Amino acid sequence: ETGVTQSPTHLIKTRGQQVTLRCSSQSGHNTVSWYQQALGQGPQFIFQYYREEENGRGNFPPRFSGLQFPNYSSELNVNALELDDSALYLCASSPRQPNTEAFFGQGTRLTVV
Amino acid sequence: DAKTTQPPSMDCAEGRAANLPCNHSTISGNEYVYWYRQIHSQGPQYIIHGLKNNETNEMASLIITEDRKSSTLILPHATLRDTAVYYCIVRVAYRDDKIIFGKGTRLHILP
Repeated sequence: ETGVTQSPTHLIKTRGQQVTLRCSSQSGHNTVSWYQQALGQGPQFIFQYYREEENGRGNFPPRFSGLQFPNYSSELNVNALELDDSALYLCASSPRQPNTEAFFGQGTRLTVV
Repeated sequence: DAKTTQPPSMDCAEGRAANLPCNHSTISGNEYVYWYRQIHSQGPQYIIHGLKNNETNEMASLIITEDRKSSTLILPHATLRDTAVYYCIVRVAYRDDKIIFGKGTRLHILP
C-alpha cells in the first residue's frame, strides 16, 4: 500500500466523450504527476502539478488537462476521447524534496470504444 | 528520452539471486538512481534508490559503480512473485520530479 489512491479502477467510454480520473496523493506529498501507459509500453509522462499549478508537461495535446486541489489531490480530464486513449492511467505523488521517492497508485484502466 | 539502458529480458531460477544491470553513462552529479518494478497491470512499485553508495533494504540491494555510469539491482533470493518489469531511472527528486521511463527489463523467475 502506497497511500496513493485512484478512482475509478476501470471504466469504458465511447469515442468523443469526456472523462475525469481522480487521484488522492499520499499525506505530505505536494506534487502529483500523471502518466499514460499503453499496452506493452512503459509509462509516458503527461503532466505534473505542484502546489496547484501545472509544472511540466509531456508530449500530449491540450485535450489532456488537469487540476490540483488545496489538499493536493488531483484530476486528469480528457476531452474528445479517441480510441488510442485506451490505456492504464497512473498517478504518482511525491514530496519534491531531495533523496525521496515517488509513489504510484494502482491506476485507472480506460477503454475507449 | 530515457537516460538509462537495460536488457529487454532476463531469466532467473527461483531461489537464486537476480542481478539486473543498468547503464546510465550520462548521469549528472545530482541525479539519483531509482529502481521501480511493475507487476502485470499494477502501478509501479518503488524498490530502492541511491546516489553513489551501495544501498540495501528489505527488498533488494543496489550496487552503483564508482564512476556512477552503471548500477546493478540485486534481488537476493528471487521468488515467483518477483516476476515483473523492472525499470531503472535517473531522477532529481527536488527539481521537477517527473520520471522518464525506458522500456525496462522483463524478469522471468523460473520454478
